[in-house]
Amino acid sequence: EVQLVESGGGLVQPGRSLRLSCAASGFTFDDYAMHWVRQAPGKGLEWVSGISWNSGSIGYADSVKGRFTISRDNAKNSLYLQMNSLRAEDTALYYCAKVKSGYGDYGFDYWGQGTLVTVSS
Amino acid sequence: DIQMTQSPSSLSASVGDRVTITCRASQSISSYLNWYQQKPGKAPKLLIYAASSLQSGVPSRFSGSGSGTDFTLTISSLQPEDFATYYCQQSYSTSCSFGQGTKLEIK
Repeated sequence: EVQLVESGGGLVQPGRSLRLSCAASGFTFDDYAMHWVRQAPGKGLEWVSGISWNSGSIGYADSVKGRFTISRDNAKNSLYLQMNSLRAEDTALYYCAKVKSGYGDYGFDYWGQGTLVTVSS
Repeated sequence: DIQMTQSPSSLSASVGDRVTITCRASQSISSYLNWYQQKPGKAPKLLIYAASSLQSGVPSRFSGSGSGTDFTLTISSLQPEDFATYYCQQSYSTSCSFGQGTKLEIK
């Protein structure tokens, strides 16, 4: 059974940093690209970042470019999101998601339950 | 960046109704369009990928169509468990993007 378990969320002051993790199991992790998607309270889905299976291709939403860094450790079946210079508008539930195929051509077929990040003083 | 626009933003319907949700891309995305269902407090669920392919385990009352810039999600006969929010997503560009969502409510 595919499982994605996010961790690392919490309350953080504006300007500070946070590192999210996503532990994957139930599939061959290094065969698939992975993505982060966030959802602000009461709002819609926003794609944040994606990384190919071998970290050779990485993308970021304009809203986080230069502040967030995605990475993965295939030996540990883990995905990460380093978030620096956090802003109030980064407050959201952060999901990690597994692609169905390729970099994400056919969508995200498995999602974690999310980890909540709250940016507030 | 590719903008995705869904319509309507909300919709009231009854059990048994046929419902159609529309998604329009700001530029051609071929068939790189996916649909998700999200229920309150839950993660999104992939329903349709590549515009018209049904994800495994998804009931056949869900269907998708379209290519280029205009796409539709159709639920042929609404069931009580279908009341949720639906999102389209383009996967044409490496910076994929979602529509703003369509909330489907019980009339």
